[in-house]
Amino acid sequence: ETGVTQSPTHLIKTRGQQVTLRCSSQSGHNTVSWYQQALGQGPQFIFQYYREEENGRGNFPPRFSGLQFPNYSSELNVNALELDDSALYLCASSHGPVRYDQPQHFGDGTRLSIL
Amino acid sequence: AQTVTQSQPEMSVQEAETVTLSCTYDTSESDYYLFWYKQPPSRQMILVIRQEAYKQQNATENRFSVNFQKAAKSFSLKISDSQLGDAAMYFCAYLLIQGAQKLVFGQGTRLTINP
Repeated sequence: ETGVTQSPTHLIKTRGQQVTLRCSSQSGHNTVSWYQQALGQGPQFIFQYYREEENGRGNFPPRFSGLQFPNYSSELNVNALELDDSALYLCASSHGPVRYDQPQHFGDGTRLSIL
Repeated sequence: AQTVTQSQPEMSVQEAETVTLSCTYDTSESDYYLFWYKQPPSRQMILVIRQEAYKQQNATENRFSVNFQKAAKSFSLKISDSQLGDAAMYFCAYLLIQGAQKLVFGQGTRLTINP
């Protein structure tokens, strides 16, 4: 069983650019959540996708958008990058709604640096 | 506001000793799950232990146990017989059962194990 994989591992962009981060969910998982983890902070929820539909969103501006594909892989897109977008972006997958016996499994994250 | 507070930014313990990490949270909901995650330098969030809020019995997983005090909204993690591999950032988090199932994380505690 393959785990959650994220690509790329590390990315450097400049202010104003756009970026796409990718996540392949664990086999059999149809729910993907994205989190932003600034340096020295805990992760913050960006949004969640369930069966290709957005299923909840955190306090992030519209320039953060996402997609989930029929194979349940997912993308996080960020437009008009700002310096504060520099962070580790974590993807987590689960089989259906997260429950006690079906916790989320996290990937290793993408480190995004904005210059 | 839904918040998680970890009042100890850093903790250290001698190998083989016991250490307790503190966590308090604030939510008006009655149904939720509580988690402790470990994040080593590899960046992946690893589930350490979980607790259902309606269960009074404290969860245990080998050397890891929790002290869950629902009325006080406290959820501390005890690590017994600390090992060098336990060194990591530890995050406390809760998950509401209703609505978008987002994890709300604390700011983390960096645990150092002294040989």
